Amino acid sequence: AQRVTQPEKLLSVFKGAPVELKCNYSYSGSPELFWYVQYSRQRLQLLLRHISRESIKGFTADLNKGETSFHLKKPFAQEEDSAMYYCALRTYSGAGSYQLTFGKGTKLSVIP
Amino acid sequence: DVKVTQSSRYLVKRTGEKVFLECVQDMDHENMFWYRQDPGLGLRLIYFSYDVKMKEKGDIPEGYSVSREKKERFSLILESASTNQTSMYLCASSIPGRGSYNEQFFGPGTRLTVL
Repeated sequence: AQRVTQPEKLLSVFKGAPVELKCNYSYSGSPELFWYVQYSRQRLQLLLRHISRESIKGFTADLNKGETSFHLKKPFAQEEDSAMYYCALRTYSGAGSYQLTFGKGTKLSVIP
Repeated sequence: DVKVTQSSRYLVKRTGEKVFLECVQDMDHENMFWYRQDPGLGLRLIYFSYDVKMKEKGDIPEGYSVSREKKERFSLILESASTNQTSMYLCASSIPGRGSYNEQFFGPGTRLTVL
């Protein structure tokens, strides 16, 4: 069965320090991975997806199939990065439909 | 711009009551989802629907049912609410298929408290 593991419930870093939010997955098929973010009092929204190889708000994430990881990184944390981050794995549900399996989330707190 | 709305932001119900949570999306998405979000447990999929009148169980369907009579509306029903169903409920929608742009768009959530 598919699984997404985010080992840290809470991660505190100082402003300007590098950030790495860890995500490991278990899936027998070809993985498609995403990072979603939820800022305080806002709805959950997509941050980035591995297939796009993009950098959003300074964040990047590389899919490492050998280590089954999709860690989220940013070289210099900003206070506005404080939020809850969820790693998600998309799996095929049948009938052309897909669902997301989410990790338990990591709360990032950036200390001024 | 995709808009997913949920009927209530906060709801307080008593044990044993029947509870309806409504979700509406305005982008003609085929897929709709219901999750519950709990601290330390993340998001867990309750039910999803990939077409009108179609539904599939997610990871934690027990104690819940759903209804999808129209494409834009997906309802979550708690037949007899219990205290362990106190949670934040999130609705989401997406287009079907494998495309890389098939992100899920989320509603603002309904915080349900069962007393």
